[in-house]
Amino acid sequence: AQSVTQLDSHVSVSEGTPVLLRCNYSSSYSPSLFWYVQHPNKGLQLLLKYTSAATLVKGINGFEAEFKKSETSFHLTKPSAHMSDAAEYFCVVSEWQAGTALIFGKGTTLSVSS
Amino acid sequence: DGGITQSPKYLFRKEGQNVTLSCEQNLNHDAMYWYRQDPGQGLRLIYYSQIVNDFQKGDIAEGYSVSREKKESFPLTVTSAQKNPTAFYLCASSYLTGGGELFFGEGSRLTVL
Repeated sequence: AQSVTQLDSHVSVSEGTPVLLRCNYSSSYSPSLFWYVQHPNKGLQLLLKYTSAATLVKGINGFEAEFKKSETSFHLTKPSAHMSDAAEYFCVVSEWQAGTALIFGKGTTLSVSS
Repeated sequence: DGGITQSPKYLFRKEGQNVTLSCEQNLNHDAMYWYRQDPGQGLRLIYYSQIVNDFQKGDIAEGYSVSREKKESFPLTVTSAQKNPTAFYLCASSYLTGGGELFFGEGSRLTVL
């Protein structure tokens, strides 16, 4: 069965410093993996996705994530945080080949201070 | 512009009342989903539909009902049987063979008075 664990419920960084949001997953298949961002009282927006192509995935707004099968991880990074990055981030795993719905992590709230 | 429209954005309900949340998409997606979001719990799947006139229960379907009479529309009714309906509700859609990427609406916040 698929599952996803976001290892930090809250991450705080200073503007201009690197961001690391951690995600581990479990899957019986070769999963698709996603990171979504949600600003307050808004819907979710796709940041990036991994679908068995390149293991280093680049997304919008300077974010990227690396799929590491041996570590079952899909951590999200950004070299330099901006105030506008403050939001909630969700790691998502999909075993769409099996016809099952997506599984969402519980989310990581990113705070950015000036 | 293509997208998903949810309405209303804010809704207040008295206990014992049923309410219906609207979700319309013009992306020509086959699959549509309803999620409930509570603080610190991520998103939990209520119902999903992969084709017109068919839908499946998700993890927390009790107290909710849906219909899928048209490809573009997937309304959610929160019934009086739902014991704790105050939450943020998100509708999403996807292609069935698109690797699972979801497109989300802006959400509807339901408050029970």
